[in-house]
Amino acid sequence: SQKIEQNSEALNIQEGKTATLTCNYTNYSPAYLQWYRQDPGRGPVFLLLIRENEKEKRKERLKVTFDTTLKQSLFHITASQPADSATYLCALDIKRGSQGNLIFGKGTKLSVKP
Amino acid sequence: DTAVSQTPKYLVTQMGNDKSIKCEQNLGHDTMYWYKQDSKKFLKIMFSYNNKELIINETVPNRFSPKSPDKAHLNLHINSLELGDSAVYFCASSLGTGKAQPQHFGDGTRLSIL
Repeated sequence: SQKIEQNSEALNIQEGKTATLTCNYTNYSPAYLQWYRQDPGRGPVFLLLIRENEKEKRKERLKVTFDTTLKQSLFHITASQPADSATYLCALDIKRGSQGNLIFGKGTKLSVKP
Repeated sequence: DTAVSQTPKYLVTQMGNDKSIKCEQNLGHDTMYWYKQDSKKFLKIMFSYNNKELIINETVPNRFSPKSPDKAHLNLHINSLELGDSAVYFCASSLGTGKAQPQHFGDGTRLSIL
């Protein structure tokens, strides 16, 4: 069956450390993968998109990798800050004809302690 | 200057009632979506419209009927509400229907069925 899993429901780290979140999937062949941030009571906010032929993408303190052989994406936040505390969602961009369709993981709740 | 706005933010109603949720985007996007986020936090696509035309219709009870009067608006009408309809409903929009399109979300409508 098709599954998308984010490694843990919650991740607690100390300020200044690097947070690494994992997204694994089975029986999908996404051409793209997206990461979103969701704060309590708010809608998801787009962070980064990576294509299947890209190994790595960076934006400021954020880095995403995409390994289509392992069927895995890693999301890194370097020099983490308490303001980075939120739930992070990965989403597979699945082709339906010419239409993109996002399949979301359940998310990992990140808490950064000062 | 809100990009994607939904009303109401909270909706508490009795089982069996009919209710509507409205969504508007001022981003000039062609594609709009409705998602449901249940108590387990999974975000699942319900419908997708492109330029007022239905593109995606997932396995959703036909008590749910989307309506797009123009490409900036996508409303969701729900008939005969059931307990299992309690969830947060998110509206989103994207530039087009193709893959690799970041989606912009509203802040959700929290529907509670008594």
